[in-house]
Amino acid sequence: QVQVQQWGAGLLKPSETLSLTCAVDGGSLGGYYWSWIRQPPGKGLEWIGDVNHSGSTNYNPSLKRRVTISADMSRNQFSLKLNSVTAADTAVYYCTTGWASWGQGILVTVSP
Amino acid sequence: DIQMTQSPSAMSASVGDRITITCRASQYISNHLDWFQQKPGKAPKRLIYASSTLPSGVPSRFSGRASGTEFNLTISSLQPEDFATYYCLQHNTYPYTFGRGTKLEIK
Repeated sequence: QVQVQQWGAGLLKPSETLSLTCAVDGGSLGGYYWSWIRQPPGKGLEWIGDVNHSGSTNYNPSLKRRVTISADMSRNQFSLKLNSVTAADTAVYYCTTGWASWGQGILVTVSP
Repeated sequence: DIQMTQSPSAMSASVGDRITITCRASQYISNHLDWFQQKPGKAPKRLIYASSTLPSGVPSRFSGRASGTEFNLTISSLQPEDFATYYCLQHNTYPYTFGRGTKLEIK
């Protein structure tokens, strides 16, 4: 059974950088694309981007200028960085591998 | 971007009812369509992948069907634990896009 754990800071000020990490236990990064998804409070799901085992990435054009997703195969971890956050980036952020296993989600709040 | 038009946005139904939720893609997406169930405070759970395949452990009352760019999720006999919000996701073309969700409530 693949378990996914995620962690990172939950409270940021405007203009700071959001940084989250996901780790997989019981599986491997290989063979999947790992995605980041976010969900503003009370709203729907938005795909942020993904990375595969070779480090190839794809990003949502709406966030592309500010997003970096990377993978560390040696640790079975992958990370999300989102620069210059604003209140509009307040959301629960999820990671998922192959859409089958998901992290628990982290609420990131951007507030002065 | 491919738009996923999901309907209805909300509905109420009773235990034992049969319900269908629809997602219509603005472009061809082959069968690269998954369905998710989300309960408050929880991560989404995949119910259907490749438009009609049930992952291991998902009850057989859930089914998916595709016809061109129209995709349906059917629950044949609602159980109390099925009242939740449902989303479709297309992962055929970047950027991947979700439907806006269907909130299923108890009548």
